[in-house]
Amino acid sequence: EDQVTQSPEALRLQEGESSSLNCSYTVSGLRGLFWYRQDPGKGPEFLFTLYSAGEEKEKERLKATLTKKESFLHITAPKPEDSATYLCAVRIPFNDYKLSFGAGTTVTVRA
Amino acid sequence: DADVTQTPRNRITKTGKRIMLECSQTKGHDRMYWYRQDPGLGLRLIYYSFDVKDINKGEISDGYSVSRQAQAKFSLSLESAIPNQTALYFCATSTLGTDTQYFGPGTRLTVL
Repeated sequence: EDQVTQSPEALRLQEGESSSLNCSYTVSGLRGLFWYRQDPGKGPEFLFTLYSAGEEKEKERLKATLTKKESFLHITAPKPEDSATYLCAVRIPFNDYKLSFGAGTTVTVRA
Repeated sequence: DADVTQTPRNRITKTGKRIMLECSQTKGHDRMYWYRQDPGLGLRLIYYSFDVKDINKGEISDGYSVSRQAQAKFSLSLESAIPNQTALYFCATSTLGTDTQYFGPGTRLTVL
């Protein structure tokens, strides 16, 4: 069964304290891994798509990387405005454009 | 203006009532999705539609139905609401040729 697991469930950081979130998946033949940011009371906001092992993408203080079995979202020198829940999703092979989501990592950055 | 809108944003109802959640989009996308989000479980797909004449069940469609009234409108109905349907509901859209789904602001539904 396809599965997406995110860890840790929650992460508390001091402003400026860099850290990484993990997304591991058991999907065979990955056809895309997606990162979203979700603020309380809002819908998920698209951040990145990664397609192949070794691929990296960056946006401001966020950097996403992909290996054959997992992805990392690195947060460099975070600020309080980076506090959010970060969701990982994989595109299920042979099911066009359907995504399987992990439960998310809730990041809290204290000033 | 938001590209994907959902109405209502909050709804409290009673067991057995029929409820409709509506989604509209101005992105011009052909594909639309309904998800449910519960704490600790992540987003789960209820139904999806690739065009007006195409409706497909997702992983948790029991107890739900949908209607694609136009390319821009996709409604989710709970024919007889039950308490374990209390959740956040999100509509999303995407377009042929891309993988990215864009989400609406969500509807918080409480069934008493």
